[in-house]
Amino acid sequence: GEDVEQSLFLSVREGDSSVINCTYTDSSSTYLYWYKQEPGAGLQLLTYIFSNMDMKQDQRLTVLLNKKDKHLSLRIADTQTGDSAIYFCAELMDSSYKLIFGSGTRLLVRP
Amino acid sequence: GAVVSQHPSWVICKSGTSVKIECRSLDFQATTMFWYRQFPKQSLMLMATSNEGSKATYEQGVEKDKFLINHASLTLSTLTVTSAHPEDSSFYICSAHGLGTGAFFGEKLFFGSGTQLSVL
Repeated sequence: GEDVEQSLFLSVREGDSSVINCTYTDSSSTYLYWYKQEPGAGLQLLTYIFSNMDMKQDQRLTVLLNKKDKHLSLRIADTQTGDSAIYFCAELMDSSYKLIFGSGTRLLVRP
Repeated sequence: GAVVSQHPSWVICKSGTSVKIECRSLDFQATTMFWYRQFPKQSLMLMATSNEGSKATYEQGVEKDKFLINHASLTLSTLTVTSAHPEDSSFYICSAHGLGTGAFFGEKLFFGSGTQLSVL
């Protein structure tokens, strides 16, 4: 069935790069997303990638997609304390417009 | 950017009572709204999809008689948790898909800030 998996926790020092990984199961998904959730808040769309792309860069964010391995990663360069949050990857089921979310990775940025 | 307002932000209620959660798109029309539930340290799970003017489509395992969804206008959808019990305590979050052409689905999907429900 549909399944998206992420590691649960990541801790980095301020200024370092963070890499959050995700694996998904539906190879037919056209779009894959990264969302950020801060405590008590809704989800904020950070970035997305089309399935025919290998990489997308958007300022401090770099998304890498390995479609063969169904692996998606989000790299945050020069991580700041304000980046501390939960990051969700999600795949869009093309047939139903349903978003399937991973379990979320809690990123903690240490000063 | 587009704003989705969700109220209340948090609610505490007694077991057996009903709770209504509102989701409004403030500056765009939403043809489709999605309701998610998030248990602590777990991911968001889609509960139902509602299209304006028609009955909601519920995901497998979600009781439609317990979670009543109304989407009577292009800017408002409500979720009513009927006869709430402690196991219904969760974070409920809505998202709205805006009208428009030329933009792909993900760019037109906006999330509310969520409602934390605690049933005593």
